[in-house]
Amino acid sequence: EADIYQTPRYLVIGTGKKITLECSQTMGHDKMYWYQQDPGMELHLIHYSYGVNSTEKGDLSSESTVSRIRTEHFPLTLESARPSHTSQYLCASSANRRVNEKLFFGSGTQLSVL
Amino acid sequence: AQTVTQSQPEMSVQEAETVTLSCTYDTSESNYYLFWYKQPPSRQMILVIRQEAYKQQNATENRFSVNFQKAAKSFSLKISDSQLGDTAMYFCAFVIQGAQKLVFGQGTRLTINP
Repeated sequence: EADIYQTPRYLVIGTGKKITLECSQTMGHDKMYWYQQDPGMELHLIHYSYGVNSTEKGDLSSESTVSRIRTEHFPLTLESARPSHTSQYLCASSANRRVNEKLFFGSGTQLSVL
Repeated sequence: AQTVTQSQPEMSVQEAETVTLSCTYDTSESNYYLFWYKQPPSRQMILVIRQEAYKQQNATENRFSVNFQKAAKSFSLKISDSQLGDTAMYFCAFVIQGAQKLVFGQGTRLTINP
């Protein structure tokens, strides 16, 4: 089973608040990802990391930021939440740089911004 | 641009029946990898099956198999002897050699009825 954890599972917050979505994995994976998924829609990559101190923006423009200070931890931060940020955020990791390596996903954080 | 299309937003079959989910993709590359991921309700997304484009033999994992037609850029998933636990969103995805980032389709919501 996947050892990748996301907290909180659900978050309802007011406009303008700063939030941090947590993602941790205990598998020692170098690569980590953040995807944004609207209900019934495809996943869009918003951030990824190849290792400590490495972060890159994904294909979908996002106002969020990420950090990778430790291998196991890849938090996502929104400095000022807006209703347009309402979505599900999925964190994932993979073992190495082989492109066919499978992704392990967390359970997701469902964010609602009022 | 790389794209993945799943033309069936929803499907529903009876338990024990066989069901095929369709997926087409578009790329000008010749080296790539294809995946089917399963996202059960309120649970983590997991890898179902994967296929290397350079392999002519279709991948099989127990009740799950694919029909990979490279020339047609088609990658369908067949689920045999469907079970209630197969109820989930199914996402087709691919990654080209060197790209490091998966491209996902829109998903197919599959319901297995008792």
